[in-house]
Amino acid sequence: EVQLVESGGGLVQPGGSLRLSCATSGFTFSSSEMNWVRQAPGKGLEWVSYISSSGTNIYYADSVKGRFTISRDNAKNSLYLQMNSLRAEDTALYYCARADSGSHGRGFDYWGQGTLVTVSS
Amino acid sequence: DIVMTQTPLSSPVTLGQPASISCRSSQSLVHSDGNTYLSWLQQRPGQPPRLLIYKISNRFSGVPDRFSGSGAGTDFTLKISRVEAEDVGVYYCTQATQFPRTFGQGTKLEIK
Repeated sequence: EVQLVESGGGLVQPGGSLRLSCATSGFTFSSSEMNWVRQAPGKGLEWVSYISSSGTNIYYADSVKGRFTISRDNAKNSLYLQMNSLRAEDTALYYCARADSGSHGRGFDYWGQGTLVTVSS
Repeated sequence: DIVMTQTPLSSPVTLGQPASISCRSSQSLVHSDGNTYLSWLQQRPGQPPRLLIYKISNRFSGVPDRFSGSGAGTDFTLKISRVEAEDVGVYYCTQATQFPRTFGQGTKLEIK
């Protein structure tokens, strides 16, 4: 069974930092391209970041570039998102999601349940 | 960035009747490799999104055949042949042809 479990969310003050984690199982993580996608309360989906299977290729949304860092540990089947200089507009449910070129045409095929990040003083 | 525009934003449908959602991209989604990376997601209330359709018209594993996708270039459609109660939720189109990945605004499907 495929599982993606996010953790690390919480309440943080503006300007603060958080590190999100996504533990995976049930698929070959080391050969999978991964993403972070967020959803502000009551709003639509916003793609945040992508990392290739080896970690060589990384992309960010303009809204987080220079503040967020995506990384992965293939030995631990885990994905991470380091979030610095957080702003109120970063408040959202953060999902990790696989979207792999090798299967399902880069569609976001596996999703976690999300971890909530609230940025507020 | 590629802008994805969905219509309608809200769709009240009678059970057993068909439903259709349109998605238009601001530029062609045909990749240099010849593929068109347009997919559709369903998000039921309180749930994470779920992949329904990838590469325009391919149903993901376990997706009922009442869901179908079509289109080409910049114009795409998701159709539900006969709406069931479990289909209530928000539907998103998304493109993976180029970075940044982008989503449509979402279409809320509700039962009349």
